[in-house]
Amino acid sequence: AQKITQTQPGMFVQEKEAVTLDCTYDTSDQSYGLFWYKQPSSGEMIFLIYQGSYDEQNATEGRYSLNFQKARKSANLVISASQLGDSAMYFCAMREGYWTGNQFYFGTGTSLTVIP
Amino acid sequence: DSGVTQTPKHLITATGQRVTLRCSPRSGDLSVYWYQQSLDQGLQFLIQYYNGEERAKGNILERFSAQQFPDLHSELNLSSLELGDSALYFCASSARRDRDYEQYFGPGTRLTVT
Repeated sequence: AQKITQTQPGMFVQEKEAVTLDCTYDTSDQSYGLFWYKQPSSGEMIFLIYQGSYDEQNATEGRYSLNFQKARKSANLVISASQLGDSAMYFCAMREGYWTGNQFYFGTGTSLTVIP
Repeated sequence: DSGVTQTPKHLITATGQRVTLRCSPRSGDLSVYWYQQSLDQGLQFLIQYYNGEERAKGNILERFSAQQFPDLHSELNLSSLELGDSALYFCASSARRDRDYEQYFGPGTRLTVT
């Protein structure tokens, strides 16, 4: 089974609107970390946000928030007030056994296009 | 600029050859991670070092090896190269005490095996 599933290959959003990028994960561990990364067309990778499995509150970093639903094993990324610069590939990832000591699993990514 | 440097930026080599990719982490970061991104395999975690010691291992082939030196820079060695090794290789660093999950990525090394 896939450890990380991103079911939206491509998404479009109007500038200034909010958008949700879906991510589901599969693990039997109690301790794990969930990550989102952004990759613009220029190719660099940018860390966006992190959620630990024991964190009770949803993580937020500026316009990014992670909608963490543990029972459903989902970790959706919400981008508020989309900007043209948000157009990029977005990858969801998981690390089992808390954040260190174990390998990362990545999803296949979602391509987001922000429309003016 | 993330503060993580990788050299070279591009590398073209032939099958069967050996190459070394270099990564210098951000000042003060103790962890270095290596990732491979290819069209076939997507993004894959290869290996992590922390302060000179191997911390975690991912989908790293036996033909690949890595190390982290006392000055904390890291090298990824790829040998007996195959066409399928063509990919973008990223390194990242982390380990600020209060946000040790936050990784900063280098610009990547684009490897083309012909």
